[in-house]
Order: sequence, then C-alpha cells, then structure tokens
Amino acid sequence: NAGVTQTPKFQVLKTGQSMTLQCAQDMNHEYMSWYRQDPGMGLRLIHYSVGAGITDQGEVPNGYNVSRSTTEDFPLRLLSAAPSQTSVYFCASSPPGRETQYFGPGTRLLVL
Amino acid sequence: QKEVEQDPGPLSVPEGAIVSLNCTYSNSAFQYFMWYRQYSRKGPELLMYTYSSGNKEDGRFTAQVDKSSKYISLFIRDSQPSDSATYLCAMSGSGGTSYGKLTFGQGTILTVHP
Repeated sequence: NAGVTQTPKFQVLKTGQSMTLQCAQDMNHEYMSWYRQDPGMGLRLIHYSVGAGITDQGEVPNGYNVSRSTTEDFPLRLLSAAPSQTSVYFCASSPPGRETQYFGPGTRLLVL
Repeated sequence: QKEVEQDPGPLSVPEGAIVSLNCTYSNSAFQYFMWYRQYSRKGPELLMYTYSSGNKEDGRFTAQVDKSSKYISLFIRDSQPSDSATYLCAMSGSGGTSYGKLTFGQGTILTVHP
C-alpha cells in the first residue's frame, strides 16, 4: 500500500511551457485534491474531485486544469507556466465521508 | 483578513517543554478541525482530528476546540527534538459543498532543542 504518490519530485520549467503533475493513490479513496504551498500562505486548494468524472475548482484554480478518468489518478496540468506558479504542489486524498486527508510527498516546481 | 490565522513563529523551546500552538478562525461554518505536522521537504501528515468543540488526547498531544471563541489549540507535552517541524491547523465545513475543502493556517515552525 503506497498511499498517495506524486511525480516528478522536482521540475524546472521555462515560462510558457506546459506540463502535467501526476498523482495516484491506491487506497480506493473517492475524494482527491490538489494544493499549492507558498511561504507564509499555508496550503491553498487548487482543484478537487469527489469521484471519477467529477471535478471542481478550489480557491486558486486559474492556470491549472484537472481531469479524473479513474478513481486512482488525478493529474494536474499547467497550461502555460508562469513564474507565479513556482511553488510546492501537494496531492491529497480522503475516503468517503471523512474530512481527514492524506497527502503525497509533493512536487517542487520552479518556473523561470 | 484570512479565514484562518496562525502565528508562523518560529517557536523554539527546550526539550521537555510544553508547547502550545494556536489558530483563530472567522468562519462559523467550520465543524471539522485538524492539525497536520510537516517535516522539512515532506508532505503534511495528519496528527489530530476533532469534530466540533471539545478536547481530544492522543499520547503527548492534546487538541482543543472552542467554537464559541473560534479558537483551536494543540498542546505537546514533554516535547522532543523529533517534534521539530511545521504544524498546520486546518478546518472545513459540514458536508455538502464544503466537503473536503480544507482551509489551512500559515503554519507554525517549531524547533525543540536538546
């Protein structure tokens, strides 16, 4: 049982490039979410999904896309990277009916 | 004004001290309250979880929620160097469209020195 896994661990992009951050969980959790963590800001919700085929926006969704085709996977796409998207990105999941979330190890993204 | 306020510290205490970490919040709809611990360059891990008001104890850790004051606390007894981490409070509303949407504080950096 690997829990929540994220790839890559670290990525450098140039402004305007696109990329996909991968997230997978093997706990059969319905709920998955993406957060970004910036100094002094805590974690802020980007997008979330309550099940396969269902996604919605969080607090800071601009510049990011998500899709949920399976229960296990929830990729986050950066369409055209900007320096303001330099951050640490965390994926999380939780079982049905539970508010507690389990976080992955994070992806550190640097946009030049 | 942020919905959840947490003093970022840093907080430095000697080994064995009692540590008190706190958050205040403004949204009266919050019903679920959590504390996460985050070691450097790692993901947050759930430490304590409380529903509504009251106290919860787990080993050296005690979480308190006072909804009337919109104030939550985490106490660490007999603190150890291994407790050195960033502590994040998080909270969410009760079901419906609030389900699973955690609002975090900024995190408090704690160092316990031998």
